[in-house]
Amino acid sequence: DAGVTQSPTHLIKTRGQQVTLRCSPKSGHDTVSWYQQALGQGPQFIFQYYEEEERQRGNFPDRFSGHQFPNYSSELNVNALLLGDSALYLCASSRTGIEAFFGQGTRLTVV
Amino acid sequence: EDKVVQSPLSLVVHEGDTVTLNCSYEVTNFRSLLWYKQEKKAPTFLFMLTSSGIEKKSGRLSSILDKKELFSILNITATQTGDSAIYLCAVDNSSAGNMLTFGGGTRLMVKP
Repeated sequence: DAGVTQSPTHLIKTRGQQVTLRCSPKSGHDTVSWYQQALGQGPQFIFQYYEEEERQRGNFPDRFSGHQFPNYSSELNVNALLLGDSALYLCASSRTGIEAFFGQGTRLTVV
Repeated sequence: EDKVVQSPLSLVVHEGDTVTLNCSYEVTNFRSLLWYKQEKKAPTFLFMLTSSGIEKKSGRLSSILDKKELFSILNITATQTGDSAIYLCAVDNSSAGNMLTFGGGTRLMVKP
């Protein structure tokens, strides 16, 4: 079992650009959640996808959007990047009744 | 607003010491409290607690939840250098599950 896999591992973008991050959940999991972790802080919940729909959303602007595919994999899109979007983006997969398993994350740097 | 606060922010101990990490929370519709260990990037799951007063144990690590006083502790006995990490506490307060509110973490360093 490959666990939760994320790509890419690192990314450098310029302010104003758009970025897409990808996540493949652990086998048997149907729910994908995305978190943003700024340096020195705990992760913050962005949103959660289940059955290809956004089920829950944290306090993030509409520049952050996502998608879930029929195979349960997911994408996180961020438009109009700001310097403050620089962070580690974590994907977590789960299914009803069990804890979330996290991927290794994508380190996004906006310059 | 839901809030999870961890203390201390950081801790330096020597191998063999026992440490206690604290987590207090204020959330609506509590579902569960989770502890994760983060060494480099991916937080790895340690414990999920849903009931007060029932200790969960895994090797040298143990944790307990007090739902009346709204806190949890994570104990690590006989610490080893491999325990050096950031320990994250999170609360799930969502009806759908796994919408986690995290604390800021406790950075533990274990010196040889």
